[in-house]
Amino acid sequence: GAGVSQTPSNKVTEKGKYVELRCDPISGHTALYWYRQSLGQGPEFLIYFQGTGAADDSGLPNDRFFAVRPEGSVSTLKIQRTERGDSAMYLCASSFGERETQYFGPGTRLLVL
Amino acid sequence: GNSVTQMEGPVTLSEEAFLTINCTYTATGYPSLFWYVQYPGEGLQLLLKATKADDKGSNKGFEATYRKETTSFHLEKGSVQVSDSAVYFCARRSGGSEKLVFGKGTKLTVNP
Repeated sequence: GAGVSQTPSNKVTEKGKYVELRCDPISGHTALYWYRQSLGQGPEFLIYFQGTGAADDSGLPNDRFFAVRPEGSVSTLKIQRTERGDSAMYLCASSFGERETQYFGPGTRLLVL
Repeated sequence: GNSVTQMEGPVTLSEEAFLTINCTYTATGYPSLFWYVQYPGEGLQLLLKATKADDKGSNKGFEATYRKETTSFHLEKGSVQVSDSAVYFCARRSGGSEKLVFGKGTKLTVNP
């Protein structure tokens, strides 16, 4: 079956621009997670959705970052006024529910020039 | 600070060598522990996990035992193959939270 998919696979933008990153979870998975991975580091948690609601957004670094999941399936991570420090690989994962294995997508590599 | 600490890489081994990648954690309570693997050009995949003390996770010849007394979850394989070349991440998930906390990763290269 289809795994977690993320689009685009690569995104290049200029400092100050707005970007949206999309995640399509595995069908039937109610939980969805966003992580950010900088070069040479492990992934760092950003936000977790259970259904349509953000159950834990403690990892969002500041108010320029926002994520939605309006219908409990696809999620969009939105970054306003991008900064060079936002450049990283953004990973999405999904799971059947709480305490279940998280399955990761291939990621979106964001480069802010 | 990061509450999962892995041995730094890169690690280079010859085929059929024994592998150990050390991982220690700090957490309150009884976290679940994981090893994820990232093969070149692919996404993170769960390799194995353990959810309570003394549990042993195993998969594809890899093993790791949850040691509460030493707060460790070291990854081992008796005989590595070239196809095991990848980056390995140790992670923990604490009770009451869904987020995974990862180590920095250890790059393994296995030469024929």
